[in-house]
Amino acid sequence: DAGVIQSPRHEVTEMGQEVTLRCKPISGHNSLFWYRQTMMRGLELLIYFNNNVPIDDSGMPEDRFSAKMPNASFSTLKIQPSEPRDSAVYFCASPRSPGVNTEAFFGQGTRLTVV
Amino acid sequence: SQQGEEDPQALSIQEGENATMNCSYKTSINNLQWYRQNSGRGLVHLILIRSNEREKHSGRLRVTLDTSKKSSSLLITASRAADTASYFCATVATDSWGKLQFGAGTQVVVTP
Repeated sequence: DAGVIQSPRHEVTEMGQEVTLRCKPISGHNSLFWYRQTMMRGLELLIYFNNNVPIDDSGMPEDRFSAKMPNASFSTLKIQPSEPRDSAVYFCASPRSPGVNTEAFFGQGTRLTVV
Repeated sequence: SQQGEEDPQALSIQEGENATMNCSYKTSINNLQWYRQNSGRGLVHLILIRSNEREKHSGRLRVTLDTSKKSSSLLITASRAADTASYFCATVATDSWGKLQFGAGTQVVVTP
């Protein structure tokens, strides 16, 4: 199993541009988290999907952020328009199973720099 | 907002020594988990301890949980240079659907 796959690994974009981050969860895992990590705020949960449905998007910072999970094997996080304060490492993670007593498997992250 | 707070923020030890870090949290939990993050990489799950458990072992790792004090500790015995990483605790609150909330982490440096 290749684990959780994220692309791109690094993204540098200009302020105002649209950015799309991609995630392929582990096959058979029907849930997915998107996290953002910065030095100032640590790891913040942005959104959680279960069976492709967004269950909790209370962590999505603002309307510029949107996430989709069109099927069980693919998710995107889009920022439009991007701003310098969006610079961070974005992780997706797929829990082994839905529910509370399960660990999460993280991708390698996408380092986003907005200049 | 972060649920767990790790202590210390940073820890520097020599190979062979034990490393202990603590995590405090605020709400009632279903479980608490510890993760490791090497520089520039994703987080790797180490161990999960449920709210009705008090201690758990995995190799050189020992985790304790005190729900009355809302705290947990992670002990790494006989540390190695390869243990150099950041360590995070994460909690799943009882009123959540499995939402993992992370603390700020402890940076551990193990020198040969």
